Amino acid sequence: DTAVSQTPKYLVTQMGNDKSIKCEQNLGHDTMYWYKQDSKKFLKIMFSYNNKELIINETVPNRFSPKSPDKAHLNLHINSLELGDSAVYFCASSQARGVYEQYFGPGTRLTVT
Amino acid sequence: EDKVVQSPLSLVVHEGDTVTLNCSYEVTNFRSLLWYKQEKKAPTFLFMLTSSGIEKKSGRLSSILDKKELFSILNITATQTGDSAVYLCALGPWNTDKLIFGTGTRLQVFP
Repeated sequence: DTAVSQTPKYLVTQMGNDKSIKCEQNLGHDTMYWYKQDSKKFLKIMFSYNNKELIINETVPNRFSPKSPDKAHLNLHINSLELGDSAVYFCASSQARGVYEQYFGPGTRLTVT
Repeated sequence: EDKVVQSPLSLVVHEGDTVTLNCSYEVTNFRSLLWYKQEKKAPTFLFMLTSSGIEKKSGRLSSILDKKELFSILNITATQTGDSAVYLCALGPWNTDKLIFGTGTRLQVFP
């Protein structure tokens, strides 16, 4: 009965590869987010979708492409991985836009070698 | 640029101590200030503050917002080892759906 789930939990890959991270929420929320947390624990928003529509697109390299097939799912695809992409990626959801109580998934630790 | 600064960066205390964590910000207009606790994995929600001067309480934790002086504090009384975590402060500006997070305060509570 996990509220926000992500797969995989760990991802180790080489530079130049393409990888995807999946996120699902069973809370019935309308809005989902992707965050990146660096080694200093700084959490920064990357993207947000509201009912499958992109509403936040921060200054993120276009190698990162989010996709929301329905409002319960938000996936993140990363092309041509670089060393600097190593981080923990968190998915989160909230009931609606402008509702800041966000529920976070367990995170995906991405290591690029 | 909107900015959220937390202090101290880290704090080491003994069980039973009381701690105060600070969050100051340079955000001109915002809807809410939130506090999260992050242990090993996902941040978990603690409080959301929207009005100045009104304390929110949950057990040994409490928080208050001062919109005039542009800061919030999170108090934890009678700390326990289970309080060890990174505490994150975040702001939700009016003109955007995103949360702006601070750098966090790492709290370690020793028995």
